[in-house]
Amino acid sequence: GENVEQHPSTLSVQEGDSAVIKCTYSDSASNYFPWYKQELGKGPQLIIDIRSNVGEKKDQRIAVTLNKTAKHFSLHITETQPEDSAVYFCAASIGTYKYIFGTGTRLKVLA
Amino acid sequence: GAGVSQSPSNKVTEKGKDVELRCDPISGHTALYWYRQSLGQGLEFLIYFQGNSAPDKSGLPSDRFSAERTGGSVSTLTIQRTQQEDSAVYLCASSLGQPQETQYFGPGTRLLVL
Repeated sequence: GENVEQHPSTLSVQEGDSAVIKCTYSDSASNYFPWYKQELGKGPQLIIDIRSNVGEKKDQRIAVTLNKTAKHFSLHITETQPEDSAVYFCAASIGTYKYIFGTGTRLKVLA
Repeated sequence: GAGVSQSPSNKVTEKGKDVELRCDPISGHTALYWYRQSLGQGLEFLIYFQGNSAPDKSGLPSDRFSAERTGGSVSTLTIQRTQQEDSAVYLCASSLGQPQETQYFGPGTRLLVL
């Protein structure tokens, strides 16, 4: 069946450094890839997304890249801050309305 | 404006009991999803409602799980004869119902089955 693999499961970086989280998907028909941030005790919140017709998208300190040939997509956070500490999930669309989620990456930004 | 709300926020129950979890989506959102999040795992799709269409129940793990959405708004997820492996956070999300629309998640209900 379809799946999304996400790495690493945990990531610690020093404040100001960059963080990169990588995902691989299996369904070649997937065409929409959102990223969610989940803070403790809260539901996931969309932080950025990318569609299959573009290779990169940026929003301030956050960027996402997509390689459709390799079925890889990555989240890049630059100049990390303590408030970036959270669990991050990638997802890939399956059909028109369903999504397969990765298992999450716990990011810790050390002050 | 108001986001997605879920109740209760926490539920502790004994094995074998039935539980009901409630989700109030954002007003005007026609699509509603239920997910299960087990410790250290990603979000597992359970069920999807879109308008008046028949729901997609393909993610429900067993016939002990059921969900309904009354009047196209509030949804209830029911777990009958709960088992310890049902312990998880149950998340609800809603969206405008178009493909690739942003999903807005509620805070979840943390279920513990003793």
